[in-house]
Formats: sequence, structure tokens, C-alpha cells
Amino acid sequence: DTGVSQDPRHKITKRGQNVTFRCDPISEHNRLYWYRQTLGQGPEFLTYFQNEAQLEKSRLLSDRFSAERPKGSFSTLEIQRTEQGDSAMYLCASRRTQGYAEAFFGQGTRLTVV
Amino acid sequence: SQELEQSPQSLIVQEGKNLTINCTSSKTLYGLYWYKQKYGEGLIFLMMLQKGGEEKSHEKITAKLDEKKQQSSLHITASQPSHAGIYLCGADLGIQGAQKLVFGQGTRLTINP
Repeated sequence: DTGVSQDPRHKITKRGQNVTFRCDPISEHNRLYWYRQTLGQGPEFLTYFQNEAQLEKSRLLSDRFSAERPKGSFSTLEIQRTEQGDSAMYLCASRRTQGYAEAFFGQGTRLTVV
Repeated sequence: SQELEQSPQSLIVQEGKNLTINCTSSKTLYGLYWYKQKYGEGLIFLMMLQKGGEEKSHEKITAKLDEKKQQSSLHITASQPSHAGIYLCGADLGIQGAQKLVFGQGTRLTINP
């Protein structure tokens, strides 16, 4: 257990539906990251937060994706009007801000769009 | 395009053999991280390297960062079945501390008995 938890672990949804994932980071970590990973690939950067501020969002990310981190604690990632191409593992990670430090990852949420 | 390139993409070795995985970037690697991932699970942190020429070891795994800080290698000595999995290098490419953290495409390691 890394201390980062994600919910749900698995989600099956019909194409066109909206889905929301939650990530609870390690409490003292200011930085929170979201990644998408498909089979045989490394984690693809989606976005990251410093406390409640979203500092960067991938230019490859569709407008259907949005992330929030209210009050700088947990974060949510929402995908609107899901498509089959959104099927992937969504990973969340957190780390401290000072200097360079390892990120701690959750177990991920596996999304299947049917 | 990948900011971090890993090689090889997959590797099959016999138990007991040594192996090396490489991670290369055209940019300076200010923080370099090695992770291991089992299929369908999250990433487990292995080691972090920051300084040019730095080398760290944990059990039978050794990671190095070259002097120019543009290439890192992960070496496993006398491989065991427990070493099987996906190895990922991640990096901070900015000089201003931990910001965007990017990853290579991973190396899938299979250990044959």
C-alpha cells in the first residue's frame, strides 16, 4: 500500500456516458498527477496540480476530460461522453513539492467503454 | 513523440542471467526515477538519481545516471522470477524542481526458469 488510493478500481460504462474517478493522495503531498496508460505503453501525462491549482494539462487531452482538486486534498477526473478509445488504466500519483522526490502511485482505475 | 526512450521494449532472459535496461533523453534529466509495475497494477518506486555519475543499488538492482544526465541504465544481476514485470523510467525535465513528471514506454521483462 503506497498511501494513495483510487476509486473505483474498475469501471465499465456504455459509450456516451460520463464517468468520474476519485484519487486520495498522501495527505502531506502538495503535488497530484493524473496519467492514462494503455496496454504495452508507459503512463501518459494528463495533468497535475499544486494544491488546488491545476498547473498543466496535456495538449493531447480532449475537452471531454476535466480534473479538479478542491481544497487541495482529493482530486477527481471526469470524462464526458465516453468513447471506446478512452478505455485504459487511469493512474493517480502524489509527491511532495520540495526539490526532486519520488511520486507515489495508486492502484489505478481500469475503465472499459463498451 | 516520447521525451524518454527506453530500450529494449521487451526482454526475455533465463533465470540467473544479468540484464540491462536503458533510458535516454535529448533533454537533461534533473530527477530520474525507476519504477516497477506488475500487469494491471500501480507503479512501485525503486530508485531515484539526481547527480551526474550517480549510482545506487538495492539488492540485485543497480541504477546509474551518466555524467551528462541524459541517459540512465538499470542493471539486474543474477535475475530471479521475482524480477519479472514492467520497468519504467520517469524524469523531471525542468530545472525548477519537481514539476511535470514524464515516463518512458516501459520495458517488459520476462524471466524464464
